[in-house]
Formats: sequence, C-alpha cells, structure tokens
Amino acid sequence: DAGVIQSPRHEVTEMGQEVTLRCKPISGHDYLFWYRQTMMRGLELLIYFNNNVPIDDSGMPEDRFSAKMPNASFSTLKIQPSEPRDSAVYFCASSLQGVNSPLHFGNGTRLTVT
Amino acid sequence: SQQGEEDPQALSIQEGENATMNCSYKTSINNLQWYRQNSGRGLVHLILIRSNEREKHSGRLRVTLDTSKKSSSLLITASRAADTASYFCATDAGFELVFGQGTRLTINP
Repeated sequence: DAGVIQSPRHEVTEMGQEVTLRCKPISGHDYLFWYRQTMMRGLELLIYFNNNVPIDDSGMPEDRFSAKMPNASFSTLKIQPSEPRDSAVYFCASSLQGVNSPLHFGNGTRLTVT
Repeated sequence: SQQGEEDPQALSIQEGENATMNCSYKTSINNLQWYRQNSGRGLVHLILIRSNEREKHSGRLRVTLDTSKKSSSLLITASRAADTASYFCATDAGFELVFGQGTRLTINP
C-alpha cells in the first residue's frame, strides 16, 4: 500500500494565479479530508468527503477555495485566485470510518504564494 | 470547537529517558487519537483510545484517558533520537477530528 499520495510536494506561485493540489487516497477508504497547517493556526480542517460526496465544507476559508472528488481515487483542492495568506502546508488524509478510525496523511503540499 | 491542548508546548530530554505529554479537551468525546509529525512530513497515527477505555499500549507508547478530567497523556519510554518530532492529540467533534497545537519533543543524544 503506497499510502496517501499528494502532488506536488512544493508549489510556488504568484498572487492571483490558480493553484491545484492533488490527492490520491488509500484504496478502500471512504473518507477523505483536506487540512491546512500553519504556525499561527495549527491544523485546520477545510473540507471532508464521504463516498466522494462533500459533507462539510464549513472550514473552507472563502469562495476562492474549492474541492472536488470526481471518483474514489482522486481529489483536488483548488485556490483561485491565490493570495499570500494562503501560504501553508496542505494535507490530504483518508480513513476507513471517518474520525472513528485512524487518519492516514499524505506528506503534504507546501504552498508559497508571493 | 473542542480543541485538544497539549502540554508542554516543548520538551527536551536525554536519550533513554521517558517523555510524558498531556492533552486536555473541553467536551465529551467518542475517541481520542495521538499522532506524530516529523519535520516536513505528514502526520502518522500512533494510538486511538475510545472513551470507554482507560489505557492502551503500543510498543514503547502508553496512552491514558481520564474522561472525568477530560485529559489524556502519552508516555514514551526509553526515548530514542528517532522519537524527535511533534506530537498531537486529536479529538472527535461530530464528524471532524480537531487537532491541538502539539508538543515539540527533542531527544538529545
């Protein structure tokens, strides 16, 4: 099992550009979570999916953020337009039974918006 | 939100010593989880303890849970340099897992 795979590992972009982060969850996991980690705010849940359906997106900062899960093996998090305050490490995690089972995290995408 | 808070924020000990980290939370939970994060990496799950459990072990790790005090502790025995990392507790809040700010553990050789 390759674990949760995220790409790219690093992304540097200029303010105003569109950024797309990608995630491949562990096969068979029905839950997928997107988290953002910063020094100031720690780990924040942005959105999570169950069986490819977005369940709670209340953590998405604003309309510039969107997430999709077109199938069980792929999810994207898009920021358009990006702003310097979006700079953070974005993690994708998957689990078998939501928060009642361990979350398996990818190694994250470090986003820098200049 | 019912965020877990770890204590201390940072801990530095000598290799071979035991390390204890504490976590407090605010409202009732179904389970509490501990994770480790090495620098530049994702979080790795260590232990999940359910609300009806008081103690769990995994190798050199021991987790306790006191629901009456709304607190948990993670004990790492016979620490090694490889244990240097940040440790997070996480509590379930509905369908969300809420993480604390973490304890930064440094093991000195």
